[in-house]
Amino acid sequence: AQKITQTQPGMFVQEKEAVTLDCTYDTSDPSYGLFWYKQPSSGEMIFLIYQGSYDQQNATEGRYSLNFQKARKSANLVISASQLGDSAMYFCAMREGLRTGGFKTIFGAGTRLFVKA
Amino acid sequence: KAGVTQTPRYLIKTRGQQVTLSCSPISGHRSVSWYQQTPGQGLQFLFEYFSETQRNKGNFPGRFSGRQFSNSRSEMNVSTLELGDSALYLCASSPGGGGVNTEAFFGQGTRLTVV
Repeated sequence: AQKITQTQPGMFVQEKEAVTLDCTYDTSDPSYGLFWYKQPSSGEMIFLIYQGSYDQQNATEGRYSLNFQKARKSANLVISASQLGDSAMYFCAMREGLRTGGFKTIFGAGTRLFVKA
Repeated sequence: KAGVTQTPRYLIKTRGQQVTLSCSPISGHRSVSWYQQTPGQGLQFLFEYFSETQRNKGNFPGRFSGRQFSNSRSEMNVSTLELGDSALYLCASSPGGGGVNTEAFFGQGTRLTVV
């Protein structure tokens, strides 16, 4: 069964420092996609970064990078040079295909990040 | 390009009533998914539609239903509301066929409160 685990309910980081948000996943499908989303207090989910299961290199998007360790089934998000506006809930998600032909995305429980001035 | 639009943003309903939530995807997107978000259960998948067909359904009772129209707009309906249905309902749209590498664009959600 699909499963996404985010073991850090809350994290604190000092402004301008880097922070790593952990995510592990479980799937038997060789083809899947891993995503990170940010959810500010307004409620909207904002896409941050994507990593495909066949991608050889770790994904990067500006200050965001994804530390993909396939053998360990982990997809940690690294935010460099944290900013006060990074304070939000962060969700790790995995998408894979189904035998029925559809697709399903499941989300982890989330990590709430607090950036301190 | 307009983003995903969900209406209404806020809704208060009484137990036993029914409710319909609407989602207009990004222009050109044909895949629409719905999620329920609660503090206790987190984000849970409700259903996914593509070209007016439900491709996948989450583990929710039959009181939760949805549909997609030919213009890709989608609605979800919850009948016989229960207090536990109080949640933020998020809609996400995706371009094309919605493969494993498909990024989902979310709306701001509809916050439903059942009293």
